[in-house]
Amino acid sequence: QVQLQQWGAGLLKPSETLSLTCAVYGGSFSGYYWSWIRQPPGKGLEWIGEINHSGSTNYNPSLKSRVTISVDTSKNQFSLKLSSVTAADTAVYYCARPAVRYCTNGVCYTGYFDLWGRGTLVTVSS
Amino acid sequence: EIVMTQSPATLSVSPGERATLSCRASQSVSSNLAWYQQKPGQAPRLLIYGASTRATGIPARFSGSGSGTEFTLTISSLQSEDFAVYYCQQYNNWPSFGGGTKVEIK
Repeated sequence: QVQLQQWGAGLLKPSETLSLTCAVYGGSFSGYYWSWIRQPPGKGLEWIGEINHSGSTNYNPSLKSRVTISVDTSKNQFSLKLSSVTAADTAVYYCARPAVRYCTNGVCYTGYFDLWGRGTLVTVSS
Repeated sequence: EIVMTQSPATLSVSPGERATLSCRASQSVSSNLAWYQQKPGQAPRLLIYGASTRATGIPARFSGSGSGTEFTLTISSLQSEDFAVYYCQQYNNWPSFGGGTKVEIK
């Protein structure tokens, strides 16, 4: 049974850098891309970006300038850093795994998500 | 970016009744559409993918339909555990989610 366990700082001040890590237990790490998704309180979901075991990344254009996703294959872990946070970055952050990738015209996109971490609430407040 | 719009925002339904939720894409996403259920304090749970295929372990009372830009999630007979928020997600391009429909007890 594959599980995702995530952790990181839950309270930040404006302009600080958000840092979260997600560990994959009980299954293949190298066979997938791994995503971060966030959800502001009472609102919908927003895909942040993804990484594979080789370190290949894709980011949501709206966050790309502030996001870095990295991988540590020796530990089956991947991490999220989001710089210069503001109150608008307050959200529950999830790590997640897509079941498939959808490929068309030579481009592959993240598919639908069948495995999720439990989420980490990150609050940005002065 | 493909914008996903869900309606209604809130749906009040009595247990045992049918619920019909809508999701519209700003451009065609073919059948690359998934539905999720989310309960308070929990991560979303995959219900439907490919617009109409139920995920493993999902009861038959959940069904999805549609293609292109218009999609529907139907819950044929609402059970107490079905009252939750439902999200659609397209994966025809980089993923984007709808704003959700809350299904509440009438």
